[in-house]
Amino acid sequence: DSGVTQTPKHLITATGQRVTLRCSPRSGDLSVYWYQQSLDQGLQFLIQYYNGEERAKGNILERFSAQQFPDLHSELNLSSLELGDSALYFCASSVVREAPSYNEQFFGPGTRLTVL
Amino acid sequence: AQSVTQPDIHITVSEGASLELRCNYSYGATPYLFWYVQSPGQGLQLLLKYFSGDTLVQGIKGFEAEFKRSQSSFNLRKPSVHWSDAAEYFCAAAESSSNTGKLIFGQGTTLQVKP
Repeated sequence: DSGVTQTPKHLITATGQRVTLRCSPRSGDLSVYWYQQSLDQGLQFLIQYYNGEERAKGNILERFSAQQFPDLHSELNLSSLELGDSALYFCASSVVREAPSYNEQFFGPGTRLTVL
Repeated sequence: AQSVTQPDIHITVSEGASLELRCNYSYGATPYLFWYVQSPGQGLQLLLKYFSGDTLVQGIKGFEAEFKRSQSSFNLRKPSVHWSDAAEYFCAAAESSSNTGKLIFGQGTTLQVKP
């Protein structure tokens, strides 16, 4: 158990709908990362938040957004869902990331999203 | 563009045999390097990491990896594979000079272990 929790475990929805995925980082971790794992694209970085502020953005679609709340949990919002959005969405957390040091990312179990 | 490549999509080895999974990276400067394992239906677990120093790093579950700057490689090895090692393995990298820490992953290698 990494200490990172994600809810829900599974989500089945229809095209055009909107969903929210939730992530609670490990206690004390300030940084949250979201990754998408799909058969076509593999594991891709979406977005990172650090202590409530966006720090880095990857290949995240405009239909997707995220935020990190004062209690450090994070939510990933996916809207106008398409079939191609079906994937496993991982959240990871780390203490902090300040170059040149690096802190290990701990991954949650993921949320499997199926868009029908 | 930064990238991580795992040339082997699928590898099958017999239980007790040795294993080597290949990983190559393309970065401006030497990145931080990682190997993760993902068992079916599970999240990602870190096996080992390389930041600097000794080019042979030891990890959990009997795995080790060797960093070779000249070949831009970070190959994962295990002397004797167990059936429980069957899983998907991901090589990943992060910029050493960046404050983001975002990971770029290879496509993964699925390991099958024959009894």
